[in-house]
Amino acid sequence: DAEITQSPRHKITETGRQVTLACHQTWNHNNMFWYRQDLGHGLRLIHYSYGVQDTNKGEVSDGYSVSRSNTEDLPLTLESAASSQTSVYFCASSWARDGPYEQYFGPGTRLTVT
Amino acid sequence: KNQVEQSPQSLIILEGKNCTLQCNYTVSPFSNLRWYKQDTGRGPVSLTIMTFSENTKSNGRYTATLDADTKQSSLHITASQLSDSASYICVVSLISNTGKLIFGQGTTLQVKP
Repeated sequence: DAEITQSPRHKITETGRQVTLACHQTWNHNNMFWYRQDLGHGLRLIHYSYGVQDTNKGEVSDGYSVSRSNTEDLPLTLESAASSQTSVYFCASSWARDGPYEQYFGPGTRLTVT
Repeated sequence: KNQVEQSPQSLIILEGKNCTLQCNYTVSPFSNLRWYKQDTGRGPVSLTIMTFSENTKSNGRYTATLDADTKQSSLHITASQLSDSASYICVVSLISNTGKLIFGQGTTLQVKP
């Protein structure tokens, strides 16, 4: 069955370190998204991609970057981790950009920056 | 400003009882409204997706309603089970060709035996 996976599921890192969170989907979806989820906030969009070599900034993109070298993967990099980036990160993918199409979410990565 | 607000923030009910969760949105131009269920430690899973022309949609014991005129939606859970304990998130999509979604903060439901 097609799926979307994230790794690692849990990560503890120190302030200032570079961290990369992996996201892999087997649906062959062109559209992929990264969100963060914090108490008191709905999921907020960090970066998104509509296809290979395409990346776009979301509403909370500062301190994050993504790259899309193939259809299946969209890794999220924290250039220099800060305590404010302690959060749960979700990757998602969808077949279409608009309309009543599913956006499938991965299981999440809990990141703690100490 | 595009916003999605949910109420109540949290809810405790007894197993077997029904409950209704509310969602109000100020999103334009509206494309569709989704309800997601998020179990603790997991990613959100879609329950229903409704377009402008749909005013009710069911998925088993879950029934969502949509009033596009008043910009309100509700999720009704019938004969609740312990496994219904989760966060329920209302999400609205814009007509934008971007795939961007606007998320509510969620309602945390606890079903007690």
